[in-house]
Amino acid sequence: SQQGEEDPQALSIQEGENATMNCSYKTSINNLQWYRQNSGRGLVHLILIRSNEREKHSGRLRVTLDTSKKSSSLLITASRAADTASYFCATDANSGNTPLVFGKGTRLSVIA
Amino acid sequence: GAGVSQSPSNKVTEKGKDVELRCDPISGHTALYWYRQSLGQGLEFLIYFQGNSAPDKSGLPSDRFSAERTGGSVSTLTIQRTQQEDSAVYLCASSPPSGGGWKQFFGPGTRLTVL
Repeated sequence: SQQGEEDPQALSIQEGENATMNCSYKTSINNLQWYRQNSGRGLVHLILIRSNEREKHSGRLRVTLDTSKKSSSLLITASRAADTASYFCATDANSGNTPLVFGKGTRLSVIA
Repeated sequence: GAGVSQSPSNKVTEKGKDVELRCDPISGHTALYWYRQSLGQGLEFLIYFQGNSAPDKSGLPSDRFSAERTGGSVSTLTIQRTQQEDSAVYLCASSPPSGGGWKQFFGPGTRLTVL
């Protein structure tokens, strides 16, 4: 079963604008990851935030985690047309290499 | 280095036929996962291999699904007597030994269409 729920399901913005996607989950986690998927194929890992972290940055990406609200957000600043993709949050409840539980994703369209 | 590869990239089969999907993980990665993604949905966990341990088969939807991993490397997912609801993209991922950051590296997927 899916634990995470991304919000919104779809987002359309102009190039240069910021895009914010949210993820809510149900059970306690060890870490939360964000992945990107182009054209319904393989996923690419973007960023991982551990349960004891509140914010993390990687280039134009900013991820926040609020374990009290069981939610995370992914912010993409200064978006580009090439950022058009589906973005998924994924959680695991145990340490180490374990299967991830994915949400349904947010489909982001960046219009040039 | 080479990433995770999967074959075939696309497979069209008739209802009732068996199919085999192959995954070659990144060399040295001890964990291997199979997920399924139906159109417009998130990924659904199917099965997980970790080193020489018994696989976690808790996500397999029915006994028509099975998977094996030979020599701790290549994995094959087999679907017997395929049904139309099996149509989906089947994604394989691998991850390095513990301490590698726990991120998963995905292959391009196999798009299975059951007619």
